[in-house]
Amino acid sequence: DTAVSQTPKYLVTQMGNDKSIKCEQNLGHDTMYWYKQDSKKFLKIMFSYNNKELIINETVPNRFSPKSPDKAHLNLHINSLELGDSAVYFCASSQGYRDFRNQPQHFGDGTRLSIL
Amino acid sequence: RKEVEQDPGPFNVPEGATVAFNCTYSNSASQSFFWYRQDCRKEPKLLMSVYSSGNEDGRFTAQLNRASQYISLLIRDSKLSDSATYLCVVKSGQFYFGTGTSLTVIP
Repeated sequence: DTAVSQTPKYLVTQMGNDKSIKCEQNLGHDTMYWYKQDSKKFLKIMFSYNNKELIINETVPNRFSPKSPDKAHLNLHINSLELGDSAVYFCASSQGYRDFRNQPQHFGDGTRLSIL
Repeated sequence: RKEVEQDPGPFNVPEGATVAFNCTYSNSASQSFFWYRQDCRKEPKLLMSVYSSGNEDGRFTAQLNRASQYISLLIRDSKLSDSATYLCVVKSGQFYFGTGTSLTVIP
């Protein structure tokens, strides 16, 4: 029943490792997003895909690489993890990137990444 | 200048109080407006969309002022369960989030 699901919920790993976070939505939306929320609680957009095409790529280290195999999935791979990557990562989806309908975003319940 | 500006608070109010949050946005071409609620260690959840004519959902009232480019959220008869961070969100192409306003309702 979960609309936007992301795995894993918790990820504890050592500096220098490579890890992936997966996200899937069953809402039929065409746009998906990754956000980072650090200890200061500000939600910062990282990437957005519309119909598998990258449309937003904010200033994010190239150690972060998103992949969208289809419009229901958006995964995030992180190479060479650093201490500063510790944060909560949220996946979200919405319908219609540039249309004017009042379509909100729906969020997954987050992946809490801790780097040791 | 940030796309969306929001007073971070914190707002500490007694149960039963009325509290109002404001948020300003910089892009006059912004299309859609929302208030989200985020509980500690949880994901943001849509509280309500904000329509030009203003809209109400129970104890919550949202207003949009396009001329002054601000949106507001009014919570009447505050409950303990209203304690959370309230995020103002503006869509102009992509979604822009405010930093959130922290509300604590005190018994």
